[in-house]
Amino acid sequence: QVQLVQSGAEVRKPGASVKVSCKASGYTFTNYGISWVRQAPGQGLEWMGWSSTKNGKTNYAQKFQGRVTMTTDTSTSTAYMELRSLRSDDTAVYYCARDIVVMVYADNWFDPWGQGTLVTVSS
Amino acid sequence: EIVLTQSPGTLSLSPGERATLSCRASQSVSSRYLAWYQQKPGQAPRLLIYATSSRATGIPDRFSGSGSGTDFTLTISRLEPEDFAVYYCQQGGTFGQGTKLEIK
Repeated sequence: QVQLVQSGAEVRKPGASVKVSCKASGYTFTNYGISWVRQAPGQGLEWMGWSSTKNGKTNYAQKFQGRVTMTTDTSTSTAYMELRSLRSDDTAVYYCARDIVVMVYADNWFDPWGQGTLVTVSS
Repeated sequence: EIVLTQSPGTLSLSPGERATLSCRASQSVSSRYLAWYQQKPGQAPRLLIYATSSRATGIPDRFSGSGSGTDFTLTISRLEPEDFAVYYCQQGGTFGQGTKLEIK
C-alpha cells in the first residue's frame, strides 16, 4: 500500500537546525511531488512548501523562504525537509504528504500523509 | 493570498444526524482544487474529498462535497461515531482553520 514513513521525534535548541526524512513506498516516487505541512500544538495546518521528485524544483511558502530546504533522493524514494534557525514557535508536528503536482508547482491536494514528526525547540 | 474561512468553528451533533460544514474563500477559487481532510486526535490528516466533490479512495459515500466560486460545503449524511473529528478545507497552500465536529 502507499505509505510515507517519517523519521522520529527531535529536540533542538533555539538557533539549531533539524532535518526530517520521509520515505515513500507502494508507488512510483517520481510520479508525484512531496509537500510538507506543519501543525503547532493545538493549532491548525500550515503548508510549508513543495518539492518535485522529477526536476529538483521547489516552492516554499513565503514565511519559510530562506530558512527551509526541501530535497528528494530518488535512489531511496526519500524526501527531506531541513529547517534552520529554529525558534520556540517552530515546535510542531511536521508532516510530509504525497502531492499530485510533480513538475511545476500548482494547485494540489495531499494523499496520503506521513505519520508526523514532532520537533520540539527548547532551551 | 487566498483566505479560507470555515464555519462553524465547532458543530455539536448526535450520531445519525446530518452535518453540514462550510468553507468560504476570500476570492473565487478553482473547484478543481478544493479539498477536504479529516483529522482525529493524534493522527495525521486524511484526504476525504478532492476537486470539490470527488471522494478519495476508501471514503464512505455518506461523505459528499459541493460548491463553486467562493462557497464550498462538506456534508456527512448520517453521522457515525467515528466521524467526530476536525475537518479542514484546503486550496493550494492555504488551509481553513478547521471545524471541530463533536458529539452532542
